[in-house]
Amino acid sequence: GAVVSQHPSRVICKSGTSVKIECRSLDFQATTMFWYRQFPKKSLMLMATSNEGSKATYEQGVEKDKFLINHASLTLSTLTVTSAHPEDSSFYICSARPRPGRYEQYFGPGTRLTVT
Amino acid sequence: KQEVTQIPAALSVPEGENLVLNCSFTDSAIYNLQWFRQDPGKGLTSLLLIQSSQREQTSGRLNASLDKSSGRSTLYIAASQPGDSATYLCAVSDDYKLSFGAGTTVTVRA
Repeated sequence: GAVVSQHPSRVICKSGTSVKIECRSLDFQATTMFWYRQFPKKSLMLMATSNEGSKATYEQGVEKDKFLINHASLTLSTLTVTSAHPEDSSFYICSARPRPGRYEQYFGPGTRLTVT
Repeated sequence: KQEVTQIPAALSVPEGENLVLNCSFTDSAIYNLQWFRQDPGKGLTSLLLIQSSQREQTSGRLNASLDKSSGRSTLYIAASQPGDSATYLCAVSDDYKLSFGAGTTVTVRA
């Protein structure tokens, strides 16, 4: 149980285009989903927290107009990188929390984004 | 702001040796601490979760201790195997957010 999927696992896009990454909780409902970014040999950096049906809360320094997050249902959150540039190339990981009051987060397998 | 540090950044040991991985955090007001494993290019696998009221957790060859007052946790892996080669991350939860260390990359030589 508690499986989180991400799609795609890898994506290459050209500079200036937008790319959407999906995060799904497969066997549970996730009231909260988190999006992280990981640079090589660095820790995971929390980008934003999304709650189903409400606007995402972005961490300081993360551009909300660049990284659009939508949490349309209890099993799906999407991250759209708009007008991507090479510096947006990174490993993006989502996680999902089953319900309020529980602190466990279940992580997706990650998406490798390369912007050329 | 919570800062999580993991030392060493990398570790190479011969098969069979015990592994000791360290994690320290600056704010002791945490809800829990988790240890994760990450294989190259992959997501995170949760290994152990220690609640703030607990001192340690064990699962098979893995044992994690927590000293909240001093802001430290240690992950012990007994009798290491080549399959234990991975990056190990610790993360602390101070509300519902997780703050991660940069990880310790372990190589177990056959």
